[in-house]
Amino acid sequence: DAGVIQSPRHEVTEMGQEVTLRCKPISGHDYLFWYRQTMMRGLELLIYFNNNVPIDDSGMPEDRFSAKMPNASFSTLKIQPSEPRDSAVYFCASSSPGDWYNEQFFGPGTRLTVL
Amino acid sequence: AQSVTQLDSQVPVFEEAPVELRCNYSSSVSVYLFWYVQYPNQGLQLLLKYLSGSTLVKGINGFEAEFNKSQTSFHLRKPSVHISDTAEYFCAVSVITGNQFYFGTGTSLTVIP
Repeated sequence: DAGVIQSPRHEVTEMGQEVTLRCKPISGHDYLFWYRQTMMRGLELLIYFNNNVPIDDSGMPEDRFSAKMPNASFSTLKIQPSEPRDSAVYFCASSSPGDWYNEQFFGPGTRLTVL
Repeated sequence: AQSVTQLDSQVPVFEEAPVELRCNYSSSVSVYLFWYVQYPNQGLQLLLKYLSGSTLVKGINGFEAEFNKSQTSFHLRKPSVHISDTAEYFCAVSVITGNQFYFGTGTSLTVIP
C-alpha cells in the first residue's frame, strides 16, 4: 500500500479564497483523522471519521472549516473563506479496523500558506 | 479532562549518549499512552505504545518507554542515540473509555556529532 496520500503537498492562497485539502486513507482502514500543526498550538485533532461518519468534530475551529468523507477512500477538509491564521500543516491519518486507538498512519501533510 | 505535558521543548544530546524525553499526563481515568516521531517534512509515525501489561514498552529504533502510574509519566529513553534520531517526538494519550487523542507539544531532539 502507498500509505496515506494527501494532496496538494503545498498550497499558497490569498485570504478569502476557498481551500480544499484531500486525503486518501490506507485501504481497509475505517478511521480517518484530520490534524492541524502549528508552532503556537502544536498538533490539534480537528475531526475524525469512523466508517465515513463524522464522530467528533469538536476540534474544528469554526464554521469556516468543514470536512467530508463521501466514501471509504476519500476525504476532504475545506476552508471557506481562508484567513492568514489558518496557515499551518494539515495532516490526515488513518487507522485499521477495530478500536480507534490502534496505530495511526499519517500522511506527509499539506503545508497551507494563506497570504 | 486529559492533558499531556512534555517538559522539554528542545533536547540537544551528543551522538552515542543516552537520552530521556519526559512526558507526564493528567487523567482521572485509565489511559493508553503513545510516542510518535516526526522526521523533518514528514508525517508522524508510531514509535511505541502502552495499552496494558508490562510497564516497560519497547519500540522501534531502539527506543523504550516506561509507564509509571503513580507518577503519571511515560518517559521515552534510548541508551545510545544516532544522528538519524534527530526529529520531533510527540507523546500522546487516549482515554480507554473515550474517543479522543491528545498530543503533547513535542520535544525536538537534536543529536550532535
